[in-house]
Amino acid sequence: GIQVEQSPPDLILQEGANSTLRCNFSDSVNNLQWFHQNPWGQLINLFYIPSGTKQNGRLSATTVATERYSLLYISSSQTTDSGVYFCAVDNDYKLSFGAGTTVTVRA
Amino acid sequence: ETGVTQTPRHLVMGMTNKKSLKCEQHLGHNAMYWYKQSAKKPLELMFVYSLEERVENNSVPSRFSPECPNSSHLFLHLHTLQPEDSALYLCASSQRPNTEAFFGQGTRLTVV
Repeated sequence: GIQVEQSPPDLILQEGANSTLRCNFSDSVNNLQWFHQNPWGQLINLFYIPSGTKQNGRLSATTVATERYSLLYISSSQTTDSGVYFCAVDNDYKLSFGAGTTVTVRA
Repeated sequence: ETGVTQTPRHLVMGMTNKKSLKCEQHLGHNAMYWYKQSAKKPLELMFVYSLEERVENNSVPSRFSPECPNSSHLFLHLHTLQPEDSALYLCASSQRPNTEAFFGQGTRLTVV
């Protein structure tokens, strides 16, 4: 099956800092999603981005499908941005998840 | 009610018990999924139902039994579980062939 690698595994930020999370995948994909898992376990949809660039407030994402990677940018981080960020890709009508990046934003 | 709703949110059960997890989606989607998230491991796909037909079973032990009575409801029946089955169980839905998935809040299961 398709392999999904996320980096870094852990990220500690000071409030207000910017950061970039990366997702590499091993095969061509039909779909790529970024999620934020809140402390209660729910996966919150951030972006549906099989290719191109999207922005939503302080978050933006870019997927370069031909080079098999996606980036999630967090700008002016806030403590509420803490949690685990997952990348998930689909190439067979089902999502395969990376191991996630745990982000801790300190006040 | 909006989105994907899972009940119960927390469940503690003994190894000899029988329980069921419930998932309901209000998005009009035609596919539903069960995922398992164990500590320190990526989410693992357990089952996929598309148009109420099971289309994927990822080598899940028979002590987990899914049921999809209609396109809005999905159940996971549990019996004679093991402590290593303790995990967060997440339900999701999508509108196939689009696989943009929306998740419920999850059920945190503890097997004692």
